[in-house]
Amino acid sequence: EPEVTQTPSHQVTQMGQEVILRCVPISNHLYFYWYRQILGQKVEFLVSFYNNEISEKSEIFDDQFSVERPDGSNFTLKIRSTKLEDSAMYFCASSDLTQGLQETQYFGPGTRLLVL
Amino acid sequence: AQKITQTQPGMFVQEKEAVTLDCTYDTSDPSYGLFWYKQPSSGEMIFLIYQGSYDQQNATEGRYSLNFQKARKSANLVISASQLGDSAMYFCAMTPHTGNQFYFGTGTSLTVIP
Repeated sequence: EPEVTQTPSHQVTQMGQEVILRCVPISNHLYFYWYRQILGQKVEFLVSFYNNEISEKSEIFDDQFSVERPDGSNFTLKIRSTKLEDSAMYFCASSDLTQGLQETQYFGPGTRLLVL
Repeated sequence: AQKITQTQPGMFVQEKEAVTLDCTYDTSDPSYGLFWYKQPSSGEMIFLIYQGSYDQQNATEGRYSLNFQKARKSANLVISASQLGDSAMYFCAMTPHTGNQFYFGTGTSLTVIP
């Protein structure tokens, strides 16, 4: 069964450093998403991406964040200068377009980011 | 504005018994989707079940069923015949017709007791 994959599974970085989180969505999906979950809290939406551009973004997704689809398979989230409060689990998700707007989003296993 | 409320931070259930996890939502969109996800201790988010706002029947997927009461704006998850492997966090989520982002509740931690 196709699945969303994410690398790395864990990332430790120093405050102020740039990190890139990588995702490979399900191959025939057209919508891609990033969410984050601070430890013990609920999952929060960051950004959605369709047709090579951002379709929605939340207040969390400020200028420090960017997304890119550098090739036909990868979808990346870049945090330019990490802060302590960026420590969280970051989930990538993808969904199909053909079922209508309320498609099921399939989540990857997450990348646990720790900023020291 | 969209809001999802899960009022049960923790629940316990005896193995083989049924359990209901509560979820209420608030939206002004006439069309929306409701979802439940399971998050085991390993951290991944596993899709369980989907209910569309215009679906006439409650959704079922194996041991999972969704008790959808549109007038009350509730979408409770029912797990029948609980198994030890059902111990996990359970998140209710909604996406309105006007967008694609999911709005998540705060989750319910379910513990199945042998």
